[in-house]
Amino acid sequence: NAGVTQTPKFQVLKTGQSMTLQCAQDMNHEYMSWYRQDPGMGLRLIHYSVGAGITDQGEVPNGYNVSRSTTEDFPLRLLSAAPSQTSVYFCASTPPGLAGVSTDTQYFGPGTRLTVL
Amino acid sequence: QQQVKQSPQSLIVQKGGISIINCAYENTAFDYFPWYQQFPGKGPALLIAIRPDVSEKKEGRFTISFNKSAKQFSLHIMDSQPGDSATYFCAASSWGQLTFGSGTQLTVLP
Repeated sequence: NAGVTQTPKFQVLKTGQSMTLQCAQDMNHEYMSWYRQDPGMGLRLIHYSVGAGITDQGEVPNGYNVSRSTTEDFPLRLLSAAPSQTSVYFCASTPPGLAGVSTDTQYFGPGTRLTVL
Repeated sequence: QQQVKQSPQSLIVQKGGISIINCAYENTAFDYFPWYQQFPGKGPALLIAIRPDVSEKKEGRFTISFNKSAKQFSLHIMDSQPGDSATYFCAASSWGQLTFGSGTQLTVLP
């Protein structure tokens, strides 16, 4: 298993540009999530999905869109990039527990470092 | 609103010493308290975790102490090694959603 993969590793955008950060997992996990990591602030939840076709907002969703058409993929879209979105972005997936309830252990991808000029 | 407060922000320990990182939470609905370890350029990885029905959990050199009444929990790294140098995050979970502390950068001197 490749685990959780993210592309690209690095990206530089100009203000106003759009782009999609890719995330994929091959562990058949239903629960996936996106975080951003900023110095001194830990990781903050952007969006999450409990399964294909179902997404919801986290703590800091503004400026980001997500969709979940398959179990494997959970892309994060920046519609109009702003300098405040300069950050390191992590995707994570969570294995299922008993009776379909997700466990709490999250497996993180290697991250995408995004700079918005 | 910071629901999980972590301290210290940075910590320097001599090889063989004990590293202690503390966290406090506010939301009594949290029911799972993991610690993640992150090396530069990598994603966080689960290190050890505890549920509130126990007061301590030990795995090798790593121990979580949990005080439910005080809403505090801490990570103890015994016999700290240079390879332990990393950023450590505490977290708290409710309904599978993690809330992270701000992180502690640990440096273990050889």
